[in-house]
Amino acid sequence: GNSVTQMEGPVTLSEEAFLTINCTYTATGYPSLFWYVQYPGEGLQLLLKATKADDKGSNKGFEATYRKETTSFHLEKGSVQVSDSAVYFCALYNYGQNFVFGPGTRLSVLP
Amino acid sequence: NAGVTQTPKFRILKIGQSMTLQCTQDMNHNYMYWYRQDPGMGLKLIYYSVGAGITDKGEVPNGYNVSRSTTEDFPLRLELAAPSQTSVYFCASSYSPGRDSGNTIYFGEGSWLTVV
Repeated sequence: GNSVTQMEGPVTLSEEAFLTINCTYTATGYPSLFWYVQYPGEGLQLLLKATKADDKGSNKGFEATYRKETTSFHLEKGSVQVSDSAVYFCALYNYGQNFVFGPGTRLSVLP
Repeated sequence: NAGVTQTPKFRILKIGQSMTLQCTQDMNHNYMYWYRQDPGMGLKLIYYSVGAGITDKGEVPNGYNVSRSTTEDFPLRLELAAPSQTSVYFCASSYSPGRDSGNTIYFGEGSWLTVV
């Protein structure tokens, strides 16, 4: 079946540091891939997505590239801010099936 | 631009009580979902619906019931509340895409439920 694996958190960084959160997946066919963000006390919001191999999703300085050869969709940001502190979820969607979410990675950015 | 709206936002229940979490969406989405998120954990799918009149169980359906009489509404019923149902509940919706198009799931803001 489909599954998503994320690096375990929590991740703690200083402001302006470089961020990478790893995500790998197992799926048949050609799933769409997503990163969702959950700020404290709120629901999940779509951060970015990619629908086919080699696509790059980007938003708010975050980027992730759909790598089919390594079945990965790592999230990166060049310079994090305190306001980026949140839980980040990697997810996939395969046609005709339900969304699958990773366990989430908590990011704390210190000033 | 409401999106997915859930009520109530917070609720405290006594063991054995029942309640309904309301969810409505205004995006004309066919698919609707209920998830629970336990503290520090990921999402677990409780029930989902692919259209009015059609519902199906997810990973953790025990202790819950749903109905889908309209496209917009997807209430979640808790019968005989138990402490194990203390959690944050998220309603979500998505459209029914073609094979070659990406899909996106949209979430409500969550309902914090405590059973004491």
